[in-house]
Order: sequence, then structure tokens, then C-alpha cells
Amino acid sequence: GQQLNQSPQSMFIQEGEDVSMNCTSSSIFNTWLWYKQDPGEGPVLLIALYKAGELTSNGRLTAQFGITRKDSFLNISASIPSDVGIYFCAGPERYGNKLVFGAGTILRVKS
Amino acid sequence: KAGVTQTPRYLIKTRGQQVTLSCSPISGHRSVSWYQQTPGQGLQFLFEYFSETQRNKGNFPGRFSGRQFSNSRSEMNVSTLELGDSALYLCASSLSGSRETQYFGPGTRLLVL
Repeated sequence: GQQLNQSPQSMFIQEGEDVSMNCTSSSIFNTWLWYKQDPGEGPVLLIALYKAGELTSNGRLTAQFGITRKDSFLNISASIPSDVGIYFCAGPERYGNKLVFGAGTILRVKS
Repeated sequence: KAGVTQTPRYLIKTRGQQVTLSCSPISGHRSVSWYQQTPGQGLQFLFEYFSETQRNKGNFPGRFSGRQFSNSRSEMNVSTLELGDSALYLCASSLSGSRETQYFGPGTRLLVL
């Protein structure tokens, strides 16, 4: 089945720094979703992307749908302690009936 | 609009017991999907229910089962619990299918002793 590879696996950054993470696949996705999971909670949808090349912002978060449709990027500007958590990318299987999730990027922020 | 709710939030059971978890989707959402999340395995798809019917199923043993009621609320049951069943169980709802954008509940943390 289709797989999503997220990198980096984890990040430990200084408060105030910008963060970049990405999600790649060997196959095409028509939708990219980015979720954030706080410790002990369920994932919360941050940004949804539906068109190749699309760039969408949500506050300090910006995500892009890669033009090849095989990747997506999430950037967080001026990180703060509450940005800590696991960030997942996801997309619908092309020939299946469910969402595929990446393994997640763990973000830790040092204040 | 109220979000997805899951009960209970925490549960401790012993090996061999069974457990039932409950999920109420966002109002108007007819699809409910269940996931198991463990530190080593990430989010693993269990199954999806739509209009009271199981529509998709992941690679889990038959000890894991579920059902959906006419009001779209769903329950998940695990019988003959094993230590390895300790995990965060997440429910997600969407309007009409598990390929769509899903909205997650807070999860039920199950610990099997």
C-alpha cells in the first residue's frame, strides 16, 4: 500500500526558532492533511491541502502541497512551548478506502 | 458544533478480560473509524463503520470488533485482552468515508495488566 515518510523523526529546538518538516511518498496523493497531537490527546487537524502547489497558512503554521503531488511541507514560525507534540501528515489512499498516516515528527521546544 | 467524544478516557483491565469503548461522532458525521496508537507502531487502522455497517477493516485479530448504532455512535470491543493491547484507542469521524478528512476524539487510554 501507499506509505508516507516523515522527516525528521524528531526535533529539539530553541523557543523562537522556525521549524520545517516534510512528508514524502513514492506515489501521488490528491489531498494532504497535517495533524498535531498533544501528549495524551487525539490528533487535531491543522491544515488541509487539496491542490498541487497550494500554500495555506493557519496562524504561525504554513503548509504546502508539493507540485509533484508526492510531498508536502509544514513550517512553524517563531516556535513557542505549546508547539510541543507530534505532527502527522496524512492522505487518502489512491486505490483504497482509508487515510494513510505518516509515523509523525516529534517536536520538543526548549524555552 | 461539539467535537468527537470518547468514553471512558482511561481504563485499566487485566489479561483475559474484555473491554468496550464508546465514541460519539460530530453531529451529521456518518462515518466512524477506529485506530490503535502505540509508541512503536504509530496510528494503526482498526476498522470503519458507516450506516451501521463495517465498511473497512485493518489487520487486527477477530478479538477486536465494533458496531455502530442508528445515531452513528460507535462502540469498539476487545475480548480476551492481552498485555500488547495496552494503547491509546482513537476514534475519528467524517461526513461519509474514511478517505475524507477525519476529526479525532481525545482517545481512550487502555492499560492491560
